[in-house]
Amino acid sequence: AQKITQTQPGMFVQEKEAVTLDCTYDTSDPSYGLFWYKQPSSGEMIFLIYQGSYDQQNATEGRYSLNFQKARKSANLVISASQLGDSAMYFCAMREGGKSGGSYIPTFGRGTSLIVHP
Amino acid sequence: GAVVSQHPSRVICKSGTSVKIECRSLDFQATTMFWYRQFPKQSLMLMATSNEGSKATYEQGVEKDKFLINHASLTLSTLTVTSAHPEDSSFYICSASADALRLETQYFGPGTRLLVL
Repeated sequence: AQKITQTQPGMFVQEKEAVTLDCTYDTSDPSYGLFWYKQPSSGEMIFLIYQGSYDQQNATEGRYSLNFQKARKSANLVISASQLGDSAMYFCAMREGGKSGGSYIPTFGRGTSLIVHP
Repeated sequence: GAVVSQHPSRVICKSGTSVKIECRSLDFQATTMFWYRQFPKQSLMLMATSNEGSKATYEQGVEKDKFLINHASLTLSTLTVTSAHPEDSSFYICSASADALRLETQYFGPGTRLLVL
């Protein structure tokens, strides 16, 4: 079963508007971390924002905020005031806290392609 | 912020040759490094997890003898694609984790594009 689900293969938004990219996750582990990454056409993965499962408040980083709804197991990324440079692939990812204390294996969603148009 | 480098950034090789990709953490010690493979317009697929000084843990379906991973020091891991074939052409990305107990510490390298002719 998919652990990270991104249901939007592509999204369009007009410059300066806000956009929400959806992400739902599946885990039975109480300790986990949720990430969003941006991947422009150059290929590098750019870390945007992180939310820990025990964090009380929603994470924010500049124009990025994470709408964390634990009961619904969703971690949507909100980008405010979109810019042309925001056009890229966006990946939601999760790392679960292993019970054995081993490496925390990250799992990525399929990604959402965001296009910002003027 | 933490910096991870990869070398080379792109490589073209003939079928049957071996290619080595280096992943370095430049300003921190990486206890764990991950190697991913990404096909065009697809997600990242984890290939293996390597911890410094021990053997890599490979994901199901990834051939250990095909993709040799060495994590000899806390700042360097290498992925060697042995006897490369055209189907090995892909984008390979590494990431490094500074602290296995802190879930948020995972930093990506810029990736290596491999084209096997």
